[in-house]
Order: sequence, then C-alpha cells, then structure tokens
Amino acid sequence: SQTIHQWPATLVQPVGSPLSLECTVEGTSNPNLYWYRQAAGRGLQLLFYSVGIGQISSEVPQNLSASRPQDRQFILSSKKLLLSDSGFYLCAWSPRSILAGGPAKNIQYFGAGTRLSVL
Amino acid sequence: AQSVTQLDSHVSVSEGTPVLLRCNYSSSYSPSLFWYVQHPNKGLQLLLKYTSAATLVKGINGFEAEFKKSETSFHLTKPSAHMSDAAEYFCVVRPGGSGTYKYIFGTGTRLKVLA
Repeated sequence: SQTIHQWPATLVQPVGSPLSLECTVEGTSNPNLYWYRQAAGRGLQLLFYSVGIGQISSEVPQNLSASRPQDRQFILSSKKLLLSDSGFYLCAWSPRSILAGGPAKNIQYFGAGTRLSVL
Repeated sequence: AQSVTQLDSHVSVSEGTPVLLRCNYSSSYSPSLFWYVQHPNKGLQLLLKYTSAATLVKGINGFEAEFKKSETSFHLTKPSAHMSDAAEYFCVVRPGGSGTYKYIFGTGTRLKVLA
C-alpha cells in the first residue's frame, strides 16, 4: 500500500533561520507531488507541485523553494524564514497513472502536516 | 477559469440532525470533485470523490454528495450528525483535460456539532 511521510510534525524557528521540510512517498512510483500551506483559519494555498524529478512549478512568488532530488522525495526549503512563513504545511501526492490494484487516478493523498512557528 | 466556492464558512448543527455543506464549482471541462475532512492539526482525509460515474456518491462515515451539473454544485450531506463529525471540510475540484495536475480548494467550512 502507498504511504506518505512528512516530518517534522512541529517546528519552531527564529526569524532569519533556514528551513527544510521533507516529504517522502512509499509504495508507488512517479507520483505527482505537492506542497501546500494553510494559514490559521484559512484554506489551502498551493505552493509548489512537481510532475517529475527536477521539475518544479511554483504557484506563488515567495520566500520558499522546493526541490525533488528523487522520484518520491519532495523538499520545501527557505534560506531565511520570515514571520509570515508561519503556518501548517501539507505535502500531498497523486498517482500519475492508473496502476493495477493501485489507488484511483486523480485522488490526492495528504501527509500529516508540519506546524511551523516562526518567532 | 476554474474555481470552487464553499458557501458557508461555518455551520452549526445539533447532534442527530442532518448536515448540509454547500459547494459550487466552475470548470471548463468535465471535472473531478472531492470532499476532504480535516481534524485540528491533522492532514486531510478523503471523504468521497466524483469522477464522472454515478452522480450520487457515497463516502465514508455516512457522508454522501450529489453532483448536479446543471447547478454546478456538489453539496455534502449526512442524515444524522455525530459529535466526531466536528471538523473542517474542503470541497476540491480537479479540472478535466490533459496535463492538469492542480487541485483547486475551497476555503473550507467549519462544522460544529452541538450536544
């Protein structure tokens, strides 16, 4: 079965410090990968998505960057955090194609999230 | 342009009464539609999905939704609310057409269940 791991679960960082959040998917290959941010009391904002290794699409100009060094690994980074980077970060994946016995195409599966507090 | 509108930011119901969470969408092509639930500080869990099969879709935990193309709606319902249903609910659209990888989220509806 497919699983998605996201860590850490919580993170408290000072303003100006770097950031690295990691997400990995198991049990599938060639997934589409996504990073979202959810500010307090608000909906989800798509930050980045990737359809393959080294292929990153950015949705919102900001202080963050993403990388996909391996097929099932997606990393969210920042060189210098801002107060406004605080929020709940969610990684997600969706199947690229329909696999026999696998999950239905089009469904998006989420990690447990990382609560980031920038102080 | 594709969009999703959740018509209520907050809904309060009494335990044992019906739940209705409203969602309208706009999509140029035949979309896939989803409802997700999020409990506090948790990831999103898929409740149900519509992908051009039956228009009445049944999901987990007694929830169901009906796709109405003429009204461009995909409202979520449950006959009888339970305390454990208190959470935030997101309506999501994935536009149809090739090469579409993005999912469009509504702003969410927070469901409160009163004892």
